[in-house]
Amino acid sequence: GESVGLHLPTLSVQEGDNSIINCAYSNSASDYFIWYKQESGKGPQFIIDIRSNMDKRQGQRVTVLLNKTVKHLSLQIAATQPGDSAVYFCAENPDELGGNQFYFGTGTSLTVIP
Amino acid sequence: DGGITQSPKYLFRKEGQNVTLSCEQNLNHDAMYWYRQDPGQGLRLIYYSQIVNDFQKGDIAEGYSVSREKKESFPLTVTSAQKNPTAFYLCASSEGGNEQFFGPGTRLTVL
Repeated sequence: GESVGLHLPTLSVQEGDNSIINCAYSNSASDYFIWYKQESGKGPQFIIDIRSNMDKRQGQRVTVLLNKTVKHLSLQIAATQPGDSAVYFCAENPDELGGNQFYFGTGTSLTVIP
Repeated sequence: DGGITQSPKYLFRKEGQNVTLSCEQNLNHDAMYWYRQDPGQGLRLIYYSQIVNDFQKGDIAEGYSVSREKKESFPLTVTSAQKNPTAFYLCASSEGGNEQFFGPGTRLTVL
Protein backbone atom coordinates (compact mmCIF):
# COMPACT_ATOMS: atom_id res chain seq x y z
CA GLY A 1 0.00 0.00 0.00
CA GLU A 2 0.89 3.66 -0.01
CA SER A 3 3.37 5.00 2.45
CA VAL A 4 2.50 8.14 4.30
CA GLY A 5 5.15 9.13 6.76
CA LEU A 6 5.57 11.69 9.46
CA HIS A 7 8.95 13.25 10.13
CA LEU A 8 8.65 13.38 13.93
CA PRO A 9 6.85 10.88 16.10
CA THR A 10 6.62 13.26 19.09
CA LEU A 11 6.45 16.99 19.53
CA SER A 12 6.36 19.07 22.71
CA VAL A 13 5.48 22.76 22.68
CA GLN A 14 4.82 25.43 25.24
CA GLU A 15 1.28 26.63 25.62
CA GLY A 16 0.77 29.66 23.41
CA ASP A 17 3.49 28.75 20.94
CA ASN A 18 2.81 27.67 17.39
CA SER A 19 3.09 23.99 16.43
CA ILE A 20 4.15 22.57 13.10
CA ILE A 21 3.56 18.93 12.25
CA ASN A 22 4.98 17.54 9.04
CA CYS A 23 4.03 14.73 6.72
CA ALA A 24 5.62 13.24 3.61
CA TYR A 25 3.57 11.37 1.05
CA SER A 26 4.79 9.11 -1.69
CA ASN A 27 2.09 9.06 -4.38
CA SER A 28 2.47 12.03 -6.71
CA ALA A 29 -1.00 11.28 -8.07
CA SER A 30 -2.65 11.90 -4.70
CA ASP A 31 -4.95 14.84 -4.96
CA TYR A 32 -6.71 15.06 -1.63
CA PHE A 33 -5.20 15.27 1.84
CA ILE A 34 -6.66 15.38 5.33
CA TRP A 35 -5.35 16.06 8.79
CA TYR A 36 -6.99 14.22 11.68
CA LYS A 37 -6.66 14.66 15.43
CA GLN A 38 -7.00 11.65 17.69
CA GLU A 39 -7.27 11.91 21.44
CA SER A 40 -6.39 8.93 23.59
CA GLY A 41 -8.98 6.15 23.35
CA LYS A 42 -11.13 8.01 20.82
CA GLY A 43 -11.73 7.97 17.10
CA PRO A 44 -9.93 10.42 14.79
CA GLN A 45 -11.57 13.80 14.24
CA PHE A 46 -11.35 15.75 11.01
CA ILE A 47 -9.33 18.97 11.36
CA ILE A 48 -8.78 20.33 7.88
CA ASP A 49 -8.36 19.13 4.34
CA ILE A 50 -6.72 20.38 1.17
CA ARG A 51 -6.94 19.43 -2.47
CA SER A 52 -4.00 19.38 -4.83
CA ASN A 53 -5.10 22.50 -6.69
CA MET A 54 -4.30 24.52 -3.56
CA ASP A 55 -1.06 25.28 -1.72
CA LYS A 56 -2.55 26.57 1.49
CA ARG A 57 -5.79 26.41 3.39
CA GLN A 58 -6.69 28.02 6.68
CA GLY A 59 -9.16 27.10 9.36
CA GLN A 60 -9.69 28.22 12.89
CA ARG A 61 -6.15 28.36 14.38
CA VAL A 62 -4.98 25.77 11.87
CA THR A 63 -3.29 26.06 8.49
CA VAL A 64 -2.39 23.28 6.10
CA LEU A 65 0.38 23.77 3.56
CA LEU A 66 0.88 21.52 0.57
CA ASN A 67 4.12 21.38 -1.38
CA LYS A 68 3.52 19.09 -4.33
CA THR A 69 7.05 19.50 -5.65
CA VAL A 70 8.56 17.70 -2.70
CA LYS A 71 5.38 15.81 -1.73
CA HIS A 72 5.17 17.39 1.68
CA LEU A 73 2.24 18.39 3.82
CA SER A 74 2.30 20.35 7.06
CA LEU A 75 -0.18 21.32 9.74
CA GLN A 76 0.35 24.53 11.64
CA ILE A 77 -1.50 25.15 14.87
CA ALA A 78 -1.44 28.72 16.14
CA ALA A 79 -1.34 29.57 19.84
CA THR A 80 -1.30 25.92 20.89
CA GLN A 81 -3.52 25.09 23.83
CA PRO A 82 -3.52 22.14 26.27
CA GLY A 83 -6.61 20.80 24.52
CA ASP A 84 -4.55 20.41 21.37
CA SER A 85 -2.55 17.60 22.97
CA ALA A 86 -3.29 14.53 20.85
CA VAL A 87 -1.94 12.40 18.02
CA TYR A 88 -2.19 14.01 14.60
CA PHE A 89 -2.42 11.94 11.41
CA CYS A 90 -2.17 12.95 7.83
CA ALA A 91 -4.04 10.96 5.22
CA GLU A 92 -3.84 10.93 1.45
CA ASN A 93 -6.39 9.86 -1.10
CA PRO A 94 -4.86 8.86 -4.40
CA ASP A 95 -8.24 8.75 -6.13
CA GLU A 96 -11.00 10.91 -4.77
CA LEU A 97 -13.43 9.84 -7.43
CA GLY A 98 -13.11 6.10 -7.06
CA GLY A 99 -12.13 3.76 -4.23
CA ASN A 100 -12.39 6.41 -1.54
CA GLN A 101 -9.46 4.79 0.12
CA PHE A 102 -7.12 6.76 2.28
CA TYR A 103 -3.67 5.92 3.48
CA PHE A 104 -2.78 7.09 6.94
CA GLY A 105 0.51 8.03 8.52
CA THR A 106 1.65 6.63 11.84
CA GLY A 107 0.92 9.91 13.60
CA THR A 108 2.75 12.57 15.59
CA SER A 109 2.04 12.85 19.28
CA LEU A 110 1.73 16.50 20.28
CA THR A 111 2.15 17.43 23.95
CA VAL A 112 1.37 20.95 25.08
CA ILE A 113 3.26 22.05 28.17
CA PRO A 114 1.27 24.48 30.34
CA ASP B 1 -27.52 14.35 15.87
CA GLY B 2 -25.95 12.77 12.80
CA GLY B 3 -22.99 10.58 13.38
CA ILE B 4 -21.38 7.19 13.47
CA THR B 5 -21.55 4.89 16.46
CA GLN B 6 -19.70 1.76 17.44
CA SER B 7 -20.49 -0.79 20.09
CA PRO B 8 -19.37 -2.07 22.41
CA LYS B 9 -16.64 0.32 23.56
CA TYR B 10 -14.70 -2.55 25.15
CA LEU B 11 -14.90 -6.21 24.16
CA PHE B 12 -13.17 -9.23 25.57
CA ARG B 13 -12.81 -12.43 23.63
CA LYS B 14 -11.67 -15.85 24.63
CA GLU B 15 -9.36 -17.84 22.39
CA GLY B 16 -11.31 -19.55 19.60
CA GLN B 17 -14.37 -17.33 19.81
CA ASN B 18 -15.88 -15.25 17.06
CA VAL B 19 -17.01 -11.76 18.03
CA THR B 20 -18.94 -9.12 16.12
CA LEU B 21 -18.34 -5.40 16.34
CA SER B 22 -21.21 -3.11 15.51
CA CYS B 23 -21.00 0.04 13.38
CA GLU B 24 -24.01 2.23 12.59
CA GLN B 25 -24.21 5.58 10.79
CA ASN B 26 -27.10 7.94 10.19
CA LEU B 27 -25.21 10.23 7.83
CA ASN B 28 -26.72 8.56 4.77
CA HIS B 29 -23.22 7.77 3.52
CA ASP B 30 -22.76 5.13 0.86
CA ALA B 31 -19.22 4.11 1.81
CA MET B 32 -18.17 2.50 5.07
CA TYR B 33 -14.84 1.20 6.29
CA TRP B 34 -13.21 -0.85 9.01
CA TYR B 35 -9.70 -0.12 10.24
CA ARG B 36 -7.44 -1.69 12.77
CA GLN B 37 -5.14 0.47 14.87
CA ASP B 38 -2.14 -0.90 16.75
CA PRO B 39 0.22 1.13 18.93
CA GLY B 40 2.76 3.08 16.91
CA GLN B 41 1.15 2.18 13.59
CA GLY B 42 -1.10 3.96 11.17
CA LEU B 43 -4.63 2.83 10.49
CA ARG B 44 -4.78 -0.33 8.41
CA LEU B 45 -7.78 -1.06 6.23
CA ILE B 46 -9.57 -4.34 6.91
CA TYR B 47 -12.65 -4.12 4.69
CA TYR B 48 -14.60 -1.43 2.94
CA SER B 49 -17.98 -1.15 1.29
CA GLN B 50 -18.91 1.43 -1.30
CA ILE B 51 -22.56 0.43 -1.54
CA VAL B 52 -25.11 -1.85 0.07
CA ASN B 53 -24.58 -5.56 -0.58
CA ASP B 54 -21.06 -5.01 -1.81
CA PHE B 55 -17.72 -4.97 0.00
CA GLN B 56 -14.04 -5.44 -0.76
CA LYS B 57 -11.05 -6.69 1.17
CA GLY B 58 -8.57 -4.19 2.43
CA ASP B 59 -4.92 -4.75 3.26
CA ILE B 60 -5.44 -7.05 6.26
CA ALA B 61 -8.74 -8.89 5.66
CA GLU B 62 -7.55 -12.34 6.74
CA GLY B 63 -9.41 -13.56 9.81
CA TYR B 64 -12.19 -10.97 9.45
CA SER B 65 -15.58 -10.91 7.76
CA VAL B 66 -18.19 -8.23 7.11
CA SER B 67 -21.68 -7.77 5.77
CA ARG B 68 -23.50 -4.79 4.33
CA GLU B 69 -27.19 -5.66 4.26
CA LYS B 70 -28.30 -2.15 5.16
CA LYS B 71 -26.88 1.21 4.18
CA GLU B 72 -26.52 2.34 7.77
CA SER B 73 -24.89 -0.78 9.17
CA PHE B 74 -21.51 -2.44 8.56
CA PRO B 75 -20.74 -5.06 11.23
CA LEU B 76 -17.30 -6.64 11.49
CA THR B 77 -16.78 -10.19 12.72
CA VAL B 78 -13.41 -11.11 14.12
CA THR B 79 -13.10 -14.84 13.63
CA SER B 80 -10.99 -17.40 15.44
CA ALA B 81 -8.76 -17.43 12.35
CA GLN B 82 -7.43 -13.98 13.29
CA LYS B 83 -4.34 -14.88 15.27
CA ASN B 84 -3.64 -11.52 16.85
CA PRO B 85 -6.97 -9.73 17.22
CA THR B 86 -6.16 -7.53 20.21
CA ALA B 87 -6.35 -3.98 18.83
CA PHE B 88 -8.42 -0.82 18.58
CA TYR B 89 -11.00 -1.09 15.80
CA LEU B 90 -12.32 1.98 14.02
CA CYS B 91 -15.28 2.24 11.70
CA ALA B 92 -15.69 5.14 9.29
CA SER B 93 -18.07 6.36 6.62
CA SER B 94 -17.82 8.81 3.76
CA GLU B 95 -19.71 10.22 0.83
CA GLY B 96 -18.19 10.91 -2.55
CA GLY B 97 -14.57 11.89 -2.48
CA ASN B 98 -14.79 13.61 0.86
CA GLU B 99 -13.40 13.05 4.31
CA GLN B 100 -14.10 9.94 6.32
CA PHE B 101 -16.01 10.33 9.55
CA PHE B 102 -14.89 8.00 12.30
CA GLY B 103 -16.72 6.32 15.12
CA PRO B 104 -15.42 6.27 18.70
CA GLY B 105 -13.79 2.85 18.31
CA THR B 106 -14.00 -0.56 19.95
CA ARG B 107 -11.10 -1.91 21.95
CA LEU B 108 -10.92 -5.68 21.59
CA THR B 109 -8.84 -7.73 23.97
CA VAL B 110 -8.21 -11.45 23.73
CA LEU B 111 -8.06 -13.19 27.08
